[in-house]
Amino acid sequence: DARVTQTPRDKVTEMGQEVTMRCQPILGHNTVFWYRQTMMQGLELLAYFRNRAPLDDSGMPKDRFSAEMPDATLATLKIQPSEPRDSAVYFCASGNRGDTQYFGPGTRLTVL
Amino acid sequence: SQQGEEDPQALSIQEGENATMNCSYKTSINNLQWYRQNSGRGLVHLILIRSNEREKHSGRLRVTLDTSKKSSSLLITASRAADTASYFCATDGYSGSRLTFGEGTQLTVNP
Repeated sequence: DARVTQTPRDKVTEMGQEVTMRCQPILGHNTVFWYRQTMMQGLELLAYFRNRAPLDDSGMPKDRFSAEMPDATLATLKIQPSEPRDSAVYFCASGNRGDTQYFGPGTRLTVL
Repeated sequence: SQQGEEDPQALSIQEGENATMNCSYKTSINNLQWYRQNSGRGLVHLILIRSNEREKHSGRLRVTLDTSKKSSSLLITASRAADTASYFCATDGYSGSRLTFGEGTQLTVNP
């Protein structure tokens, strides 16, 4: 049963620290998405990749966030420096164009 | 602004009753999807309906799509306590892939 995996599941850090979240998409999926979910803003698309190339990162604060896909089995989302307002649950999802997206379990980030 | 907007924001029913949730959107779509999210978990895909379809069934789920009104509804029949979750609609424009999610309907099914 193929699944999207994310690590870590929970992360507590202090303001100013670097945070790296990792995602392993489902093998064979060519599109990977990063979302952020908060009570106030709901579910927001931060960035997505197709065939490892970034297609849209307009939802991401460029000054502190960066997303990469070093290879087809790994996507990373980095925040440097982190701020309390970055506290949220970050989801990775994968799929193929025009098809269902499969979500990972999320990384719950708390920035103190 | 959100492409998809669910209505109602919250719904509380008794086990065995049917639950209906609605979604409205603003621009033309390629397809519309419904997802479920249990508290503290990731979203789980329920059903996808394409813009040229009007109705789709999957088990106890029935989804309708009215592109002239830019609206969709999700019906859960014979609800169970395990159906308690947040339900989101998401639209996929003609550019493909990018989904825009609504704010969700929180469904509570009381045993």
